[in-house]
Amino acid sequence: QLQLQESGPGLVKPSETLSLTCTVSGDSISSNNYYWGWIRQPPGKGLEWIGSIYYSGSTYYNPSLKSRVTISVHTSKSQFSLNLSSVTAADTAVYYCVRHRTTVTTGWGRGTLLTVSS
Amino acid sequence: QTVVTQEPSLTVSPGGTVTLTCASSTGAVTSGYYPNWFQQKPGQAPRALIYSTSNKHSWTPARFSGSLLGGKAALTLSGVQPEDEAEYYCLLYYAGAQLWVFGGGTKLTVL
Repeated sequence: QLQLQESGPGLVKPSETLSLTCTVSGDSISSNNYYWGWIRQPPGKGLEWIGSIYYSGSTYYNPSLKSRVTISVHTSKSQFSLNLSSVTAADTAVYYCVRHRTTVTTGWGRGTLLTVSS
Repeated sequence: QTVVTQEPSLTVSPGGTVTLTCASSTGAVTSGYYPNWFQQKPGQAPRALIYSTSNKHSWTPARFSGSLLGGKAALTLSGVQPEDEAEYYCLLYYAGAQLWVFGGGTKLTVL
């Protein structure tokens, strides 16, 4: 059974780079035709797709975040990660990692709260 | 900037029927946008309900159904239960730009 688990520092200072990791178990992170993505939700607000990486390595990012986002896969560790640079208070959110295809999401993590504060 | 619009809030009586919609700023929503619907209750991660317009996950109650209606994606709840009170989000895929966009969410109150 697929399981996704987010991990991260919990607190990041403004202007620093946020780094989160999603550990995948129950399936190979190299599985064909899956995307591995990140979604976030600021407190009291809606969901926002951040970006995804395809099993082939191609990346796709939300245009509003593209200049600050990097998603990468670490196959040997069965993990994928999110780096978001130059963070501000507006980046405070619960961050979810997901596995999906074009048509459907097939697994969600429980989410991790990331707070940006000095 | 692509915007996906949902009703901010709806209220329905227990046992009633309600339809939530999902519109795209780019025009009519078609099956090629592969509409997905999610339910989220306070303090919980979103739970997938519907994918590719009308397909249900194995855990989706039969009272939930998805469709295309008047150029929008739609989620209909028939025989609403108190436990259906939640926030509902749609998700559309834009193939040309290769991006996914969530709607702003609909807060459904069962009263």
